[in-house]
Order: sequence, then structure tokens, then C-alpha cells
Amino acid sequence: ETGVTQTPRHLVMGMTNKKSLKCEQHLGHNAMYWYKQSAKKPLELMFVYNFKEQTENNSVPSRFSPECPNSSHLFLHLHTLQPEDSALYLCASSQGDRGGETQYFGPGTRLLVL
Amino acid sequence: EDQVTQSPEALRLQEGESSSLNCSYTVSGLRGLFWYRQDPGKGPEFLFTLYSAGEEKEKERLKATLTKKESFLHITAPKPEDSATYLCAVQAANTGNQFYFGTGTSLTVIP
Repeated sequence: ETGVTQTPRHLVMGMTNKKSLKCEQHLGHNAMYWYKQSAKKPLELMFVYNFKEQTENNSVPSRFSPECPNSSHLFLHLHTLQPEDSALYLCASSQGDRGGETQYFGPGTRLLVL
Repeated sequence: EDQVTQSPEALRLQEGESSSLNCSYTVSGLRGLFWYRQDPGKGPEFLFTLYSAGEEKEKERLKATLTKKESFLHITAPKPEDSATYLCAVQAANTGNQFYFGTGTSLTVIP
């Protein structure tokens, strides 16, 4: 595997379900990110981790819970989601989060909440 | 207030018809301006990073330029495979080093 991988690629869940999204980066980077992409809206940054420590949380509802066990893996745990949470969830990584560092994205997980 | 504005929202070109996409930004203390290409249902694919006004970068039919207020992505003699959404993002000292993305330009190149 190369670059940034995400699983699953597609997910359909009910509002009472609990599921997790997984991201793995094979680039030797230290920072990882979760973004939400909805139709006709800019990418929204959700969480940032640098060296496994959370450095940003952009007022994301508690029904989204991130986990970063090491610099290569990032999870997004989902529970009691709402239909408006349906979107493309993108993971990205960069060498660091100090500024001016390119972020590389995974293919995304298309989430549909029924 | 929008940090990044991209125009046009959509662009249709005939194959071989050159054009430019615009990304204007309002942040100060720019740390980097980034161009990505995104195909439907896929993640953004990195194209270019620009750091300072006057900088230019090229890759095949694409050329990105940067001024103090905007960036252009010039597409020379496009082909149908260049059809995609092109995203611009900025990172600046006054944005906490976050990436702020525009809504993108959807490019369609007609054979």
C-alpha cells in the first residue's frame, strides 16, 4: 500500500448504529487530519493530530470521536449520527502541522446515514 | 467571511481551448497556497504548492501562479482527461495553520 488509505470506502448506517472509519498513511508523516466534504460546500476540517496528540477540534459534535493510536493510524468513531452527517469523510496527512506543509488525502469514505 | 473564493464555479471547454481558473484569498501571512484536483467520488489529488508572490509551477498542461491576493491555474490545450474539480486551499499565520478550502471549479473538457 502507498499513500493514504481509508476503509471502508462506502458505509450506510442507521441513526442508532455505531461504526468506525479507519485511515492509514504510508508516507512517514507526523500529522493526520479528518475532513468532512458535503456537496457544494468547502472541505471542513474536523480534527488534527500531530505526533498522536490532538491539536485541533473544530467544534465537532461529540457523536464524532477521533482516535490516533500512532502517527500512522487514525480512526473516526461514529455513534447516533444524524442524516445531515451524510457526506464524504476524508483523511489526510502531512509531515507536520506547523504551516506550509502539503497535505495528502486518502480516497475518502462515502457515508450515508438513514 | 470567506477566506478563499474560486471562480468560475463551473467551466466547459472544448478540447484544446486554453483557459484559467482563479483562486482569490483574504488571509494575511500566507504560509502556502495549494492546488488539488478531485475526481468524482475520490479524494483530492495534490498538484502544486506555492509559497510566495511571483512563484510559478508547471506540470504537463497545468501552470499555477501566485500574487499577493490570488492564484491562477492555467490550463493549456486541455484534454478530456483534465475534466475534474479543481480545489484551492490556503494556509496562513492568522488561520491557526489550518487549511481553508474554496468550493472548487468544476472543469469539463469536451472532445
